Amino acid sequence: DAGVTQSPTHLIKTRGQQVTLRCSPKSGHDTVSWYQQALGQGPQFIFQYYEEEERQRGNFPDRFSGHQFPNYSSELNVNALLLGDSALYLCASGQLSGQGETQYFGPGTRLLVL
Amino acid sequence: DAKTTQPPSMDCAEGRAANLPCNHSTISGNEYVYWYRQIHSQGPQYIIHGLKNNETNEMASLIITEDRKSSTLILPHATLRDTAVYYCTSRGGSNYKLTFGKGTLLTVNP
Repeated sequence: DAGVTQSPTHLIKTRGQQVTLRCSPKSGHDTVSWYQQALGQGPQFIFQYYEEEERQRGNFPDRFSGHQFPNYSSELNVNALLLGDSALYLCASGQLSGQGETQYFGPGTRLLVL
Repeated sequence: DAKTTQPPSMDCAEGRAANLPCNHSTISGNEYVYWYRQIHSQGPQYIIHGLKNNETNEMASLIITEDRKSSTLILPHATLRDTAVYYCTSRGGSNYKLTFGKGTLLTVNP
């Protein structure tokens, strides 16, 4: 059973460019959350998708947007990249249940903005 | 958001139990306590979670105080591969996000 997968693993962009990161959830999972992790910090919540809708958003500007597809996979788009967007971007998937939803993380995409 | 407080670092001898504390005094009644660990910039790995009862799985045990203001993650026989940053966090109800602090760097020494 494949876990959460993310692509690409690494990416280098320049300021002002746009980037799209992709995530495939664990089989059977229906929620996808995105987190940004700067060096030396814990992951910071960007947003969560469920049933193709954004249902909660963290404190990130509108330059960060996302999408969830009918097969539950998801994309994170970041426009007008800034140097400060350099970070590890993590996707986490989960399955709603009576006990809530445990989120399982993928390996991440490391983005470097020059 | 519930705020968690963890010591920045801890050491443990290989083969001994590692007890990692977490203070979550502002946790609300329907929020679960979750523990994750992260090894050298890999994605965080889920360890265990609980609401009010103590929990045990193949990786660890979780002890939650009766007032739910703190918890302890126990790795019963730490190995060198358990060296990682351990995060305590919480979520539940209509709050779908996990809020992470800086975690505890556990170093297991031979």
